[in-house]
Amino acid sequence: DTAVSQTPKYLVTQMGNDKSIKCEQNLGHDTMYWYKQDSKKFLKIMFSYNNKELIINETVPNRFSPKSPDKAHLNLHINSLELGDSAVYFCASSQDPGGNEQFFGPGTRLTVL
Amino acid sequence: QKEVEQNSGPLSVPEGAIASLNCTYSDRGSQSFFWYRQYSGKSPELIMFIYSNGDKEDGRFTAQLNKASQYVSLLIRDSQPSDSATYLCAVRQGAQKLVFGQGTRLTINP
Repeated sequence: DTAVSQTPKYLVTQMGNDKSIKCEQNLGHDTMYWYKQDSKKFLKIMFSYNNKELIINETVPNRFSPKSPDKAHLNLHINSLELGDSAVYFCASSQDPGGNEQFFGPGTRLTVL
Repeated sequence: QKEVEQNSGPLSVPEGAIASLNCTYSDRGSQSFFWYRQYSGKSPELIMFIYSNGDKEDGRFTAQLNKASQYVSLLIRDSQPSDSATYLCAVRQGAQKLVFGQGTRLTINP
């Protein structure tokens, strides 16, 4: 059974399009995260939610909008995609907001052409 | 200065030797430190975490903290080819956020 799953695994799209990435966890965790990993492997947090409430919102363009319909799901919608958005996006979850042990999903490789 | 810094490597170590990975952090008040391993094309997975009150050993892995010099290290004893991966150091900032270093690519040579 997959603990943290993301769809799609690969996403190739044109500049200016709007796309969404979905994430689901079946661990019963209360906190979920979105990270961006660039081509140099630098992993940076974008957002975190605890029980559907936004608790971390880093300096991310407002083209990125997370949505948490329930505590097992955290989706990421991106408007007006730009070349610089190309990266691997990881969803993660943890039992508590302190994030002592975060479980990562398999990642979504986004390529903007 | 970056908040968490690592030497990006690659670090090459012969099989059976000790691999030593280091990470420096800028916030002197940091109290929680994490090591994640990431195989190529895969997601990060937690190896171990330590608090500011001491070092920790888990099997072949030992995490050590030097608060005075603001660095944390990960030692891997009896290195195996399967240990070849990128190792990400992370430091908790505030109550909830992890700040990651850029990772050190480790290669264990048979």
